[in-house]
Amino acid sequence: NAGVTQTPKFRVLKTGQSMTLLCAQDMNHEYMYWYRQDPGMGLRLIHYSVGEGTTAKGEVPDGYNVSRLKKQNFLLGLESAAPSQTSVYFCASSPLRGREATKNIQYFGAGTRLSVL
Amino acid sequence: GNSVTQMEGPVTLSEEAFLTINCTYTATGYPSLFWYVQYPGEGLQLLLKATKADDKGSNKGFEATYRKETTSFHLEKGSVQVSDSAVYFCALRYLIQGAQKLVFGQGTRLTINP
Repeated sequence: NAGVTQTPKFRVLKTGQSMTLLCAQDMNHEYMYWYRQDPGMGLRLIHYSVGEGTTAKGEVPDGYNVSRLKKQNFLLGLESAAPSQTSVYFCASSPLRGREATKNIQYFGAGTRLSVL
Repeated sequence: GNSVTQMEGPVTLSEEAFLTINCTYTATGYPSLFWYVQYPGEGLQLLLKATKADDKGSNKGFEATYRKETTSFHLEKGSVQVSDSAVYFCALRYLIQGAQKLVFGQGTRLTINP
């Protein structure tokens, strides 16, 4: 079972460069999320999507854009990277419907470690 | 607003010791509560959950009880193992504008020595 797959696993950027992080899930989940994890701060929600073609801002959206053109993919873009965006990025997905045991539980990818120099 | 506060780490214990990681929350309404675990180099995995007051979640020897009166969801294990070394996150789930969202605590790093 692939679950939630994030690519790439590691990336180093220079300030001002752009890049796209890809998240793919094969569980037919409606919801998808992008978080960043910084030391001592837990995970903070950047953007999320409740379905194909829809996105919404989370807690820390500035400097990021997202797209959900296909249900299984959720892309996170950095148009002009800044050192403050050095972090570990996690994607997650969750089902809207289904058995109570699994409904609304978020399933996480392994993360992308990004350094901006 | 909604927030989660965990005890600060790191926590270092010897194998077979008793573990408690404190978690308290602030929320409007009645959120569901979760503990997630992150092993080195991996993403977060759900460890256990509780959806209403007095519910007890349990998994892999870990337990946590949803205490509405003290707004707490403390994680406990009677006898820890080296393999339990990881970062543990307490989280609450709330609904806003039709979307489910999680709010995480800052995480507690646990190291178990043999």
